[in-house]
Amino acid sequence: DVKVTQSSRYLVKRTGEKVFLECVQDMDHENMFWYRQDPGLGLRLIYFSYDVKMKEKGDIPEGYSVSREKKERFSLILESASTNQTSMYLCASSILTGLAKNIQYFGAGTRLSVL
Amino acid sequence: AQKVTQAQTEISVVEKEDVTLDCVYETRDTTYYLFWYKQPPSGELVFLIRRNSFDEQNEISGRYSWNFQKSTSSFNFTITASQVVDSAVYFCALRGPHDKIIFGKGTRLHILP
Repeated sequence: DVKVTQSSRYLVKRTGEKVFLECVQDMDHENMFWYRQDPGLGLRLIYFSYDVKMKEKGDIPEGYSVSREKKERFSLILESASTNQTSMYLCASSILTGLAKNIQYFGAGTRLSVL
Repeated sequence: AQKVTQAQTEISVVEKEDVTLDCVYETRDTTYYLFWYKQPPSGELVFLIRRNSFDEQNEISGRYSWNFQKSTSSFNFTITASQVVDSAVYFCALRGPHDKIIFGKGTRLHILP
């Protein structure tokens, strides 16, 4: 089974702090994604990555950056956390080719509160 | 533009009733994939099904069934004899450009005992 692990289920940070959200997958997937989920807005793509050291902006990249130094790990960084970044953050991964292509597998999510 | 619309924001049914979740999509691609995901209260999105645009056959998996109709750009999901464990948020999704997935806003389903 595919396993996508997010380092924290719940996180509380203060405004202005630098925040790291970590995501690790164990299926050698090329693609990795970060979403945020807010009531009434569904899932919105922040950043995604097709390969190590590669990154692409999603629909709402402002205020975020990412890092992918190893294939299995994709980090989301909030350079200076703000209250409007309080949200549920979901990480996903998918394989580039083969029968399971395009199927994204998700982690359990990190609920971030910025005070 | 590519878009997924789930018009039903929230649905409540009594256990053992059948329920259908609607999904309408827009795409100009001739080849595309559609998906359904389930998000239980625990938070993790669980993959349910992927459908290729070339395959219009309806699919059944236990109490779950999916009706794909290209003529109406719909990919509806039916749960037969619903159970309390089916309570969750359900997302319909479409593969977009560069393998991104475009999600609908979800339908929250309450199954009442």
